[in-house]
Amino acid sequence: DTGVSQDPRHKITKRGQNVTFRCDPISEHNRLYWYRQTLGQGPEFLTYFQNEAQLEKSRLLSDRFSAERPKGSFSTLEIQRTEQGDSAMYLCASSPRSTNEKLFFGSGTQLSVL
Amino acid sequence: GQSLEQPSEVTAVEGAIVQINCTYQTSGFYGLSWYQQHDGGAPTFLSYNALDGLEETGRFSSFLSRSDSYGYLLLQELQMKDSASYFCAVRPSNSGGYQKVTFGTGTKLQVIP
Repeated sequence: DTGVSQDPRHKITKRGQNVTFRCDPISEHNRLYWYRQTLGQGPEFLTYFQNEAQLEKSRLLSDRFSAERPKGSFSTLEIQRTEQGDSAMYLCASSPRSTNEKLFFGSGTQLSVL
Repeated sequence: GQSLEQPSEVTAVEGAIVQINCTYQTSGFYGLSWYQQHDGGAPTFLSYNALDGLEETGRFSSFLSRSDSYGYLLLQELQMKDSASYFCAVRPSNSGGYQKVTFGTGTKLQVIP
């Protein structure tokens, strides 16, 4: 198992464009999280899935943001009509059934909106 | 809601001991976790305190005091590779937010020769 993988590692886009990121969690993990991190800050919670169900969603997640985990395996995070304020590192994490106290993070997707 | 405060930067000498503090305001949580993040890398889990007291894992120890709303991470025998950012985190026990793990502001540790 190679851990949580995210694709792409870097994304540069123009303001107003849509972007989509993918996360592949550790295979036996049923819990999946999306976080956003800006320089010098801690990760901020965006949303949480248990299997395919999206059970929690932050108020930070505006209507332009949507996340899916259609088969309870990989997940996608889409940002529509990107704004410069969306520039950040988008981190995905997963955790197993046995514990939700230890999150395993991917290396993230660095988004730059020009 | 939850609020976790940490010193922004700490510098320590290789081989020494350093303590990184975390003070929090939260209405209730299951436990306090610590994560390490190297520049450009992913946060990695270090330790978890469900109960008050000290937890030891090799060179790293973590402490929690719920009565003082305070915790810390202790790093011993510092190595250059310990230079990284360190985050404390809590998972709330209030309804509607069980999985919203909230991270602190982070402490950038610089280990110098």
